[in-house]
Amino acid sequence: DVKVTQSSRYLVKRTGEKVFLECVQDMDHENMFWYRQDPGLGLRLIYFSYDVKMKEKGDIPEGYSVSREKKERFSLILESASTNQTSMYLCASDSSLERNEQFFGPGTRLTVL
Amino acid sequence: KNQVEQSPQSLIILEGKNCTLQCNYTVSPFSNLRWYKQDTGRGPVSLTIMTFSENTKSNGRYTATLDADTKQSSLHITASQLSDSASYICVANMNTGFQKLVFGTGTRLLVSP
Repeated sequence: DVKVTQSSRYLVKRTGEKVFLECVQDMDHENMFWYRQDPGLGLRLIYFSYDVKMKEKGDIPEGYSVSREKKERFSLILESASTNQTSMYLCASDSSLERNEQFFGPGTRLTVL
Repeated sequence: KNQVEQSPQSLIILEGKNCTLQCNYTVSPFSNLRWYKQDTGRGPVSLTIMTFSENTKSNGRYTATLDADTKQSSLHITASQLSDSASYICVANMNTGFQKLVFGTGTRLLVSP
């Protein structure tokens, strides 16, 4: 059974804190993604990575950074959390084949107070 | 502008009834069209993936159609069950070297007993 796991289901942080969201996949996928999902908006891509130590900005990278030191692990970092970063964060992974399915983790609901 | 629009926003049907969800997309270049099911508080799960040459794809009681000329897709659910209550998200894949997914905002379906 393929899996994408995320370190926390729920997280509450204070404004200004540094926040780490961890994601691990066990499918040996090359590509990993971080999205955020807000009510009334579709999933929006924050960052993605197509290889270890490689990263690319998505549509809304401001206020975020990422790290990919190992193939199976992709971290999202909020350097200084702000209230407008309260959201559901979803990690996903897929292989580099065309028409391949993108697998999602269960999500982390982050609240910044 | 690359975008995916879904209708209706929400829908309530009685258990056992059929329903059809609609999706219009404007993305270029277009690679494939996906439907995901997302249970409340969970990550999306893939239902179907169709390329421009495929008109229909089934997955159990779910049948997706694609008209690449009019850029429209639909998801038909047959003999609905309570467990079908979820959000259904239409996603267009641009595949510009890497997979670039454009997400709709989803249709929230409630199946009532």
